[in-house]
Amino acid sequence: DQQVKQNSPSLSVQEGRISILNCDYTNSMFDYFLWYKKYPAEGPTFLISISSIKDKNEDGRFTVFLNKSAKHLSLHIVPSQPGDSAVYFCAASGGSNYKLTFGKGTLLTVNP
Amino acid sequence: KAGVTQTPRYLIKTRGQQVTLSCSPISGHRSVSWYQQTPGQGLQFLFEYFSETQRNKGNFPGRFSGRQFSNSRSEMNVSTLELGDSALYLCASSLAPTGANVLTFGAGSRLTVL
Repeated sequence: DQQVKQNSPSLSVQEGRISILNCDYTNSMFDYFLWYKKYPAEGPTFLISISSIKDKNEDGRFTVFLNKSAKHLSLHIVPSQPGDSAVYFCAASGGSNYKLTFGKGTLLTVNP
Repeated sequence: KAGVTQTPRYLIKTRGQQVTLSCSPISGHRSVSWYQQTPGQGLQFLFEYFSETQRNKGNFPGRFSGRQFSNSRSEMNVSTLELGDSALYLCASSLAPTGANVLTFGAGSRLTVL
């Protein structure tokens, strides 16, 4: 049972345009959500997070939106840069189980 | 401030052997989590340790085990290796095992089982 789903395995965007990565979850106990970015041969690095008490969080070019009723979150990158090309993982935690549950990831390619 | 250190970075084993992977967390971090990454499966949670106690365990067979030492360093062991155990094993540390704590990952140990 996959509780965190990233339905798009890959996404290709032109440099300077907006990248939108999507994530859906099924566990209503999740109350904290994170995005990680992973380059080849490196571990994932934390990008941005959002608590369930908010519906938006911004950090520079990165914005995460949370729609609790739809159990959906998205990561917007504006403007996209070639250095943003990486695999992006959505993760969630909550309830009495503090472990992070990850999606399968979306490979973002930003073309110059 | 040193990051999360995992050793070895790469290793090759044959079926039936066992392997031990090591993880040194960021200084001051007392929680260590382990994840398995395989193509198409994302990051699958193995287990989490805090103060030498296993707090959470993922859905993996008993061949996968781990432990944490008093200095917060952690090891994971996989016995009777199978071809399907070939993966990137990632260790992550955090200050404490709360959901709002951000995990900091190491670069991983790439295991190939032949």
